[in-house]
Amino acid sequence: TQLLEQSPQFLSIQEGENLTVYCNSSSVFSSLQWYRQEPGEGPVLLVTVVTGGEVKKLKRLTFQFGDARKDSSLHITAAQTGDTGLYLCAGAGGTSYGKLTFGQGTILTVHP
Amino acid sequence: GAGVSQSPSNKVTEKGKDVELRCDPISGHTALYWYRQSLGQGLEFLIYFQGNSAPDKSGLPSDRFSAERTGGSVSTLTIQRTQQEDSAVYLCASSLAPLAGGSNTQYFGPGTRLTVL
Repeated sequence: TQLLEQSPQFLSIQEGENLTVYCNSSSVFSSLQWYRQEPGEGPVLLVTVVTGGEVKKLKRLTFQFGDARKDSSLHITAAQTGDTGLYLCAGAGGTSYGKLTFGQGTILTVHP
Repeated sequence: GAGVSQSPSNKVTEKGKDVELRCDPISGHTALYWYRQSLGQGLEFLIYFQGNSAPDKSGLPSDRFSAERTGGSVSTLTIQRTQQEDSAVYLCASSLAPLAGGSNTQYFGPGTRLTVL
């Protein structure tokens, strides 16, 4: 069974601060995705990383896939109140491709 | 609309009753997924349909849970004899046929919030 450990589970910071969310596994994934979810809505895909060591930037968000494709991180620079939400990592691959394995999620609250 | 739709948005039921949750995927998407999410938590995979292949039911928590997909489009998740621990948000997602190696974008519906009293 593939598992993804996501940390921290809760993050409460002030606007303008930086933060990093981690996603770790003992399993290798063919790709890893990061989603953001707001209350009452389904998750929305932010990025997919595929290549070990890959770094992708989306405005103030930086995503990295570990060299061994077992871990990933999401770094937010100068957080804004609009970044508040639930962030989820999800790994794809393994014997049942198409199926995603999700981490437990990180609830981020950015205070003004 | 062009997105994934789910109905009802909220369902309150009594313990022991059966419930049916509906998902309308994005037109043309051959893959459909059901997940369960407890408050503020990650998503728990339930079942996955891809085209005409046999569904991957490996995530269904018990035989009280079943799902079908008619005509390769609409799907219904049925929970029989509901229990209080079934209370959660049930999310449906659809995607184009998954690529070998597993990278695909899943588009999620808004979910059905199920409360079992």
